[in-house]
Amino acid sequence: EVVLTQSPGTLSLSPGERATLSCRASQSISSSYLAWYQQKPGQAPRLLIYAASSRATGIPDRFSGSGSGRDFTLTISRLEPEDFAVYYCQQYGDSTPLTFGGGTKVEIK
Amino acid sequence: EVQLVESGGGLVQPGRSLRLSCAASGFTFDDYGMHWVRQAPGKGLEWVSGISWNSGSIGYADSVKGRFTISRDSAKNSLYLQMNSLRAEDTALYYCAKSHGSGSSYYQYNAMDVWGQGTTVTVSS
Repeated sequence: EVVLTQSPGTLSLSPGERATLSCRASQSISSSYLAWYQQKPGQAPRLLIYAASSRATGIPDRFSGSGSGRDFTLTISRLEPEDFAVYYCQQYGDSTPLTFGGGTKVEIK
Repeated sequence: EVQLVESGGGLVQPGRSLRLSCAASGFTFDDYGMHWVRQAPGKGLEWVSGISWNSGSIGYADSVKGRFTISRDSAKNSLYLQMNSLRAEDTALYYCAKSHGSGSSYYQYNAMDVWGQGTTVTVSS
């Protein structure tokens, strides 16, 4: 099973600042089958990024994903008030079972 | 509008069974793989099970293998999760989710782009 470790656990930032979230896999993820999701309290997760760097439909371009192999990053260029939430990475593809990281909470400083 | 609506959750005693349903609308259900993902109270996301568009590829998390069965019915545009031998640790909000890409012969090669609002399962005596 591929274990995904997200860091930091909590990120305290102000609106307008840049957020950098990390996701490290216990083994290389083939073909960059890595996704990022946003979840707000009381809501279902929302797909932000798939295939490590492709934005899902309707996702603002302040969200970007990068990385390959074992190390992946989600960057929010300038935080908007609605971006404060929990973010999860997820690996899919050749390695089953599918797994999620433990999440990073982005909170208002 | 693409929509997934889960139902069937509730309070159940340990060792008993429950069947979850997910009604899909707004897209061609037959073209997409589907998944169940759960979230225990205050915890993160856990993938439970996935199924390809034609049911030819199915997978389970180790924690539910042998106890849960995923299935789909194209005539009813519905996804199901039969949960047997339920345990306290199965208590969670269960989400139904749609695969991002269509036509894959395997359930595991796409992210999940549409999610329902979830149905709550509580296993307790």
